[in-house]
Amino acid sequence: EVLLVQSGAEVGKSGESLMLSCKTSGFSFSNYWIGWVRQMPGKGLEWVGIIYPRDSDAKYSPSFQGRVIISADKSTNSVFLKWSSLRASDTATYFCARRYVFYDSSGQLVVNDALDAWGQGTLVTVSP
Amino acid sequence: DIQMTQSPTSLSASVGDRVTITCRASQSISNYLNWYQYKPGEAPKLLIIGASTLQSGVPSRFSGSGSGTHFTLAITNLQLEDFATYYCQQTYNTLGMFGQGTKVEI
Repeated sequence: EVLLVQSGAEVGKSGESLMLSCKTSGFSFSNYWIGWVRQMPGKGLEWVGIIYPRDSDAKYSPSFQGRVIISADKSTNSVFLKWSSLRASDTATYFCARRYVFYDSSGQLVVNDALDAWGQGTLVTVSP
Repeated sequence: DIQMTQSPTSLSASVGDRVTITCRASQSISNYLNWYQYKPGEAPKLLIIGASTLQSGVPSRFSGSGSGTHFTLAITNLQLEDFATYYCQQTYNTLGMFGQGTKVEI
């Protein structure tokens, strides 16, 4: 069974550092992109970024570039989302999710991709 | 950036109804469009891949259609467990945007 289990809710203050974790199991960790998605209170879903654990290639949404770091640990099959300096506007629920790539019948051509498995979400609350 | 616009923002429906949600892309994305269902306190759930392919385990009352810039999610015979918020997402680019969501309320 594919599982992504996230760390628990966090409360912090502006300026503090914070790291969320997402521990995966049930699939070959190194071979899938794992992403982070934010949901601010009452708002929709938005990408934070994504990482390929095999080589730790990470890509970030422009809104988060330089504000967070996404990392991966192949020894524990875990992905992390880290802030060095929180802001009150970081208050949100953060989800990790696996990016699954769908191929055609030949197995060679990518026909689409989707976030097919998600963590349960981690609520981050940051006070001013 | 390719912008994704969903409509309506919310809708009210009853058990047994048929509802449709529209998602428009600011430029053609072929069929690189997925649909997700979200209920508060739960993980989002993938419903439809590539505009029209039902993810394994998703009930057949869900269907998707469209290509290019105009896409539709339809739910027939609405069930209690379908009251949720639905998001489209384009995968034409890496980190493709989500729509703003459509809340289906009783």
